[in-house]
Formats: sequence, C-alpha cells, structure tokens
Amino acid sequence: EDKVVQSPLSLVVHEGDTVTLNCSYEVTNFRSLLWYKQEKKAPTFLFMLTSSGIEKKSGRLSSILDKKELFSILNITATQTGDSAIYLCAVTNAGGTSYGKLTFGQGTILTVHP
Amino acid sequence: DAGITQSPRHKVTETGTPVTLRCHQTENHRYMYWYRQDPGHGLRLIHYSYGVKDTDKGEVSDGYSVSRSKTEDFLLTLESATSSQTSVYFCAISDRGHPSYEQYFGPGTRLTVT
Repeated sequence: EDKVVQSPLSLVVHEGDTVTLNCSYEVTNFRSLLWYKQEKKAPTFLFMLTSSGIEKKSGRLSSILDKKELFSILNITATQTGDSAIYLCAVTNAGGTSYGKLTFGQGTILTVHP
Repeated sequence: DAGITQSPRHKVTETGTPVTLRCHQTENHRYMYWYRQDPGHGLRLIHYSYGVKDTDKGEVSDGYSVSRSKTEDFLLTLESATSSQTSVYFCAISDRGHPSYEQYFGPGTRLTVT
C-alpha cells in the first residue's frame, strides 16, 4: 500500500521567515510527487516532480525530489501571511490500473503571523 | 479554474438517510475521483472513474457507491449515512493523457450527519 508522511504536522512562523516542509513516501511504482496548497477551499496545484524534473521553483516557493531517499521538501522563503494554508503532498503510482490515483499525506498546517 | 462544480455545497442529514453528492465537469476529462478530507488524514480516495460506467474502489470505499452515466457527471451515494461519514468531500478530475497527471479539485461539499 502506498504511503505518504508529512512533517511537521503544523508550523507557526513570522513573516519573513523561511520554512521547509517535508514529505517522505513509499510507493510501489513511483510516477510523480505533487504539492498542493489548500486555503479554506479546494486544493490548488503547486508543483509536480518526476524522474525527469526533480527540482521546481516558482517565486518564493521551491521544491526538490530525492528519488533515492524517497522524500521531497517544499521551501518557502520570505513567508507572508498569505502563505498560511495546509500544504499537501501526494504521490501517483504508475502501476497498470492506478489511473493516476493520488495518495496524500496528512498535510502540514502552516500559520504565518504578521 | 477548471470547470468543476459540486452540489450541494453544504448538507446536514440524519443517520440512516441516503445522500447523493454530485460532481459536474465541463472539461471533458476522462478521469474523475471522489475524496474525503478529515483532520489528520489529508485527502483519502473513496472511488474513482476511468470512463463512463467504469468505476473502481479507493482506499475508503466502505459505505459508499458511485455512478457515472455521462462523462460530465460523477455521483457519490451514501446508502445509509452514518456519523463517521461527516466530512468534507472533494471531487477531482484528470486527463491521463496530460503528462503531469495533475488533478483539479472542485470546491467541496461539507456533509454533516447527525
């Protein structure tokens, strides 16, 4: 059974701080790892990392994938109050009948204080 | 935003009553998914569909059934609602032909079973 574990489960920082969110996984036939941001609504897609794309960056957010050690990190620099959200990590299994099913971690609740 | 709507957006029902949640998409994507989100569990897959009349179980399918008679609609039914099914339910869609396997989420339905 595929498994995703995120840490920490919650994190409180002040504006301007840099945070690192962790995601470790076990998947029988790894296809990709995805990061989502969830505010008080539906999750929105941030990044996807695969064997051919192990590092992504968008503005103050960046992510890397370590396929050997089976983990990913999401970095947020110069945090803002708008970064407060739940950050979800998920993996997809490339196995025959998986049809792109996502297995999610528990999520990390990030709170950024002014 | 991807064209995904869910109805109803909020529902309160009594234990033992049947409940049907609807997901409607305008993207003509082949794959559709139902997740539930509970504190400490992230999102967990209930059922998914890989085409009209083609569905399969996810990791938490007990007590739920689904139907997909048209590409655009995916229905989730709780045959006899229980308090443990109080949750936020998200529908997602994906086009497996897209290399990213990215899933787009609907706005969610908050279900309370009393």
